[in-house]
Amino acid sequence: GESVGLHLPTLSVQEGDNSIINCAYSNSASDYFIWYKQESGKGPQFIIDIRSNMDKRQGQRVTVLLNKTVKHLSLQIAATQPGDSAVYFCAEKNMRFGAGTRLTVKP
Amino acid sequence: GAVVSQHPSRVICKSGTSVKIECRSLDFQATTMFWYRQFPKQSLMLMATSNEGSKATYEQGVEKDKFLINHASLTLSTLTVTSAHPEDSSFYICSAGDRGRTGQPQHFGDGTRLSIL
Repeated sequence: GESVGLHLPTLSVQEGDNSIINCAYSNSASDYFIWYKQESGKGPQFIIDIRSNMDKRQGQRVTVLLNKTVKHLSLQIAATQPGDSAVYFCAEKNMRFGAGTRLTVKP
Repeated sequence: GAVVSQHPSRVICKSGTSVKIECRSLDFQATTMFWYRQFPKQSLMLMATSNEGSKATYEQGVEKDKFLINHASLTLSTLTVTSAHPEDSSFYICSAGDRGRTGQPQHFGDGTRLSIL
């Protein structure tokens, strides 16, 4: 069936570096995507979203890129901080989640 | 901002007990809420979509008689785990969006950690 999945289960970066988290989706009709951050023992928090009529959207220190040709989106975090350590999920409009990527930021 | 409250945050009970988890949207109305379960180091698995005033829509493989969902008002959905057993132990999370619109970010509760002895 259609699904949203992530390429990497873990990512470790040095504080201050940029982080890139990837996500692949299989439903070419998907028109809305959301990135969430989940800290240990808590529910996911909304980070940023993007609609399929856009290729790029920027927030505070975060950028989401959408490549509809290869059905791929990425979350870029600039100047990664220890507080960014968490699990990151992408989700489609149907609210199904991918596997998640655990981001660890080393001081 | 939009807040979703989930209660209780943690429950421990004996096998065979039924457990009710509440999900409330505190400052907005939600015609649709979503229920998930999450095992350690795994992703959120969508269990069902709770629809205000109508029956919930369950994902394939989720037993609707085991996981009873009631969405009686625009601000409250409940998930009841009936006759819970140790394998039902998990982290249960709900989400809601303003007026149930899709294509808008959902707001999540902080989850309920259910432990069945």
